[in-house]
Amino acid sequence: DAGITQSPRHKVTETGTPVTLRCHQTENHRYMYWYRQDPGHGLRLIHYSYGVKDTDKGEVSDGYSVSRSKTEDFLLTLESATSSQTSVYFCAIRTSGKRDTQYFGPGTRLTVL
Amino acid sequence: AQSVTQLDSQVPVFEEAPVELRCNYSSSVSVYLFWYVQYPNQGLQLLLKYLSGSTLVKGINGFEAEFNKSQTSFHLRKPSVHISDTAEYFCAVSDSSGGTSYGKLTFGQGTILTVHP
Repeated sequence: DAGITQSPRHKVTETGTPVTLRCHQTENHRYMYWYRQDPGHGLRLIHYSYGVKDTDKGEVSDGYSVSRSKTEDFLLTLESATSSQTSVYFCAIRTSGKRDTQYFGPGTRLTVL
Repeated sequence: AQSVTQLDSQVPVFEEAPVELRCNYSSSVSVYLFWYVQYPNQGLQLLLKYLSGSTLVKGINGFEAEFNKSQTSFHLRKPSVHISDTAEYFCAVSDSSGGTSYGKLTFGQGTILTVHP
């Protein structure tokens, strides 16, 4: 599992409230990613990071922001949650070199009422 | 930009039968290719990957896939499935050409494999 944890694992919130999801890794990987999974869409990239304080947008970044102040933590924030952001959120890290592969965390199920 | 199409959203099959899950991709640059499996209520697990070298790659649980550059395909196969193979399977592609944006995965929509006794 590449030492990835996500918190919380489940969250129910109301429309308009801010929400922060945390991804924590223990192996000092440079690259980290946030995806959302929705039926019929597979996984779609929200934001990614290529180092501390270095982040960039993915395919579905509207309504989301991220921060990475330490190598091990990558935070995803929904500033004002909407029902369309109800989804399962996965964090991933990427190993480098010949083992270039992404490994995923266990996921966070977020419900916005 | 890349795109991935998984040609079957659902594949029902009987136990011990062979199965093929089809994946086509589109990309203007060289790519890495991956298959992930997701069991119910779990995260994604890497099944196999193609980075370079032999176009036939073998993965865990008896699965294999073949990279066909001319047909831009990366179909997943298993000669004899088990009930425990019931899961959703995702094909994914990433840009292998370098730079800070490389490594981002683009996923297909997923194929639900259901193995019946």
